[in-house]
Amino acid sequence: GDQVKQSPSALSLQEGTNSALRCNFSIATTTVQWFLQNPRGSLMNLFYLVPGTKENGRLKSTFNSKESYSTLHIRDAQLEDSGTYFCAALSGGSNAKLTFGKGTKLSVKS
Amino acid sequence: GALVYQYPRRTICKSGTSMRMECQAVGFQATSVAWYRQSPQKTFELIALSTVNSAIKYEQNFTQEKFPISHPNLSFSSMTVLNAYLEDRGLYLCGAGPEYEQYFGPGTRLTVL
Repeated sequence: GDQVKQSPSALSLQEGTNSALRCNFSIATTTVQWFLQNPRGSLMNLFYLVPGTKENGRLKSTFNSKESYSTLHIRDAQLEDSGTYFCAALSGGSNAKLTFGKGTKLSVKS
Repeated sequence: GALVYQYPRRTICKSGTSMRMECQAVGFQATSVAWYRQSPQKTFELIALSTVNSAIKYEQNFTQEKFPISHPNLSFSSMTVLNAYLEDRGLYLCGAGPEYEQYFGPGTRLTVL
């Protein structure tokens, strides 16, 4: 099965509403990264997380290593938040690598 | 800030030919560089991870003979897709970082005819 399971796979939000995306990990995860991929393909770094919570503007993300999940909360969604959100888990060791989820495609509508 | 540039942004090659893509890190030292391929279905596959002063480690299904990688200094890496075929098409992303956090370039989109 998927080592990084993202949900939902797609989401449609009305402008101004709130929502949460989630990643569940079935691999040992030391840190988590969240990205937003725009329609042209560029990956924008949103968060780099050790266990704990970070906030940046309307975005807030939590990584709970004990329960092996991470969430990304979007508050007051705006049209420019549309795109595909990916989480990626970093496995420890000397050859640390990122394992990506399959993404959540978010559409924000006015 | 940390930026990663990739060249070219798009490329088209004939089946059986090769093409080289580059990755440039600006604003930080790219101690590790990872090359990924994102399929048309949007899933990411790690091709290889290169760490300065260590051998380049290729993932299963990817080989140095097919995807030779160079990582000569802390700001630059290149990868060549040799003998490209239809199944090699996709968006090739370079992720670079000073330690474990990776910053990504915009990718090189490869089309194979």
